[in-house]
Amino acid sequence: KQEVTQIPAALSVPEGENLVLNCSFTDSAIYNLQWFRQDPGKGLTSLLLIQSSQREQTSGRLNASLDKSSGRSTLYIAASQPGDSATYLCAVRQGDQGGKLIFGQGTELSVKP
Amino acid sequence: EPEVTQTPSHQVTQMGQEVILRCVPISNHLYFYWYRQILGQKVEFLVSFYNNEISEKSEIFDDQFSVERPDGSNFTLKIRSTKLEDSAMYFCASSPTSRGEAFFGQGTRLTVV
Repeated sequence: KQEVTQIPAALSVPEGENLVLNCSFTDSAIYNLQWFRQDPGKGLTSLLLIQSSQREQTSGRLNASLDKSSGRSTLYIAASQPGDSATYLCAVRQGDQGGKLIFGQGTELSVKP
Repeated sequence: EPEVTQTPSHQVTQMGQEVILRCVPISNHLYFYWYRQILGQKVEFLVSFYNNEISEKSEIFDDQFSVERPDGSNFTLKIRSTKLEDSAMYFCASSPTSRGEAFFGQGTRLTVV
């Protein structure tokens, strides 16, 4: 059974720092991995989708990497801003016909001005 | 930009009552999903729906739950007899394909009293 784990559970950094969020998964037979942002009491906003054949994907100040064989993904945020404060979730998509996502518990990020 | 919309944003219901949560997926998407997030816990998969039928469901999705696409735009989740433990944020999501990027709605917060 696939298990997705995110470390750390919470992270507090001063504005301007570069930071890395980690995601690991136990079953490497995935189709892709998606990173989301969740603001308190709100929905999930898709940040990046990285296919199993890709090593990394970039969008603005965000860069996601994927090492499928070792079951790891990282989300790199450059030059963090207070507006980046949110919970970041990773989710993997397995080889099921329905295409369900299996989520980690998230990393709660706080960027202090 | 196309988005997934959910109504209502918050619903309070008495234990044992039926509730229907509504979603309008992105118009050209073919795969539809319901997930839920109990406060402080992971986002959990409930059901996937494709070609007017359930393609996969989780252990949580028992006989109390049903989904329907009554017309070309709406996608609904019905809980027949709500329990206290059904209190959660319910998210609808859609994807163009089973492996495509998933887009989530803002969620319906269901409170069962």
